[in-house]
Amino acid sequence: NAGVTQTPKFRVLKTGQSMTLLCAQDMNHEYMYWYRQDPGMGLRLIHYSVGEGTTAKGEVPDGYNVSRLKKQNFLLGLESAAPSQTSVYFCASSRSGRSSYNEQFFGPGTRLTVL
Amino acid sequence: GEDVEQSLFLSVREGDSSVINCTYTDSSSTYLYWYKQEPGAGLQLLTYIFSNMDMKQDQRLTVLLNKKDKHLSLRIADTQTGDSAIYFCAETLYGGATNKLIFGTGTLLAVQP
Repeated sequence: NAGVTQTPKFRVLKTGQSMTLLCAQDMNHEYMYWYRQDPGMGLRLIHYSVGEGTTAKGEVPDGYNVSRLKKQNFLLGLESAAPSQTSVYFCASSRSGRSSYNEQFFGPGTRLTVL
Repeated sequence: GEDVEQSLFLSVREGDSSVINCTYTDSSSTYLYWYKQEPGAGLQLLTYIFSNMDMKQDQRLTVLLNKKDKHLSLRIADTQTGDSAIYFCAETLYGGATNKLIFGTGTLLAVQP
C-alpha cells in the first residue's frame, strides 16, 4: 500500500499562473481533504470530499477549486496563483468522516512557492 | 471560536521527559488526537484519547485529558533525538457532511543530545 501520495513535491509559480495538485489514495477511503500549512497557523482545511463526485468548502476555500472524479483521486486547482498561496499543501483521506473516530491519513505534502 | 492552542516550541535534553500541552475549544469532542510531523513529511497519527478517559498510556507516551479545563497533554518519557518533530493536537468538530478535525498550531520539539 502506498497510502496517500501527492504530486508534485515542489513547485514554483509566477503570480497569475495556474496549476493542479494531484492526490491519490489506495485505501478505498470515502473521504478526502486538502489542507494548507502555514507557520504558526497549524493546518487549515481548504476543501473536502465525502465521496466520488462530491466536494465541499472548508475553512479557507477562496482561490482554490477541487474535483473528485474518481474515488481514489482528489485534485486541487489554483486558477490564478497569488503570493498568499505560498504554502505547504497536504492531502488526507479517511475511511469515514461521519463516525466520531476520524483518523486521517496524510500525504507527504507539496511545497508551493508563488513569486 | 475554534482555536486549538499550543505553545510553539519546546526544547529538552535526550533522556528527559517532554510535556506538550494543548487547549481545545469544543467540549463535545469525543476523540482528541496527537499527530506527529517529521521534517519534510506529512502528519502521522501518534495516539488518541476518547473523551471518557482521563489518561491513556502507550509505551513511552502518556496522554492526559482534563475535560473541565479542556486541556490535553502529551508526555514523552525518555525523549530521544528521533522524537524531534512537530506535534499537533486535534479535536473533532461535529456537524455538516463530515466531522472535521481542527488542528492546533503545532509544537516544535527539539531534542538536544
